[in-house]
Amino acid sequence: DVKVTQSSRYLVKRTGEKVFLECVQDMDHENMFWYRQDPGLGLRLIYFSYDVKMKEKGDIPEGYSVSREKKERFSLILESASTNQTSMYLCASSLFGYYEQYFGPGTRLTVT
Amino acid sequence: AQTVTQSQPEMSVQEAETVTLSCTYDTSENNYYLFWYKQPPSRQMILVIRQEAYKQQNATENRFSVNFQKAAKSFSLKISDSQLGDTAMYFCAFVGVSGNTPLVFGKGTRLSVIA
Repeated sequence: DVKVTQSSRYLVKRTGEKVFLECVQDMDHENMFWYRQDPGLGLRLIYFSYDVKMKEKGDIPEGYSVSREKKERFSLILESASTNQTSMYLCASSLFGYYEQYFGPGTRLTVT
Repeated sequence: AQTVTQSQPEMSVQEAETVTLSCTYDTSENNYYLFWYKQPPSRQMILVIRQEAYKQQNATENRFSVNFQKAAKSFSLKISDSQLGDTAMYFCAFVGVSGNTPLVFGKGTRLSVIA
């Protein structure tokens, strides 16, 4: 079974803090993704990566950056957290772009 | 750009009954994949079913089946013999095979199964 893990289930941070969300997958998948999920808005893609050190902007990259130094790990960085970044963050991976994605359990981030 | 539309934000169904969730999509590609994902309350998103556009036969997985109408760009999910554990958000998703592009998701349908 594919396993995608995220470093925290719940996180509370203060405005202006730098926040790191970590995601690890154990199936040697090429592609990894970061989404945020908000009620009524569905899943919105923040960034994705199709190879180590490669990244592509998704639909809402503003205020975020990513890092993929190793194939299995994809980090989402909030350079200076703001209250409008309070959300559920989901990580996913897939073998190839058009294969199904496997999701992590999510991190519910609250910025106060 | 591809879009996926789920026109039913919320639905409910009695236990043991059948329910159909709607999904339409827009694309100019001829070869693509469609998915239904399930996200139970406070639990991980999991894949329910997958359909390849080049296959005419509708995909089935136990109590879950799809009605894929390629010409109409419609991809509905039918859940038979609904169970309380089917209560979840359901997301329809599309991906083309022409490039290394990510899945496009609909906004989801919240399904409640009532005892």
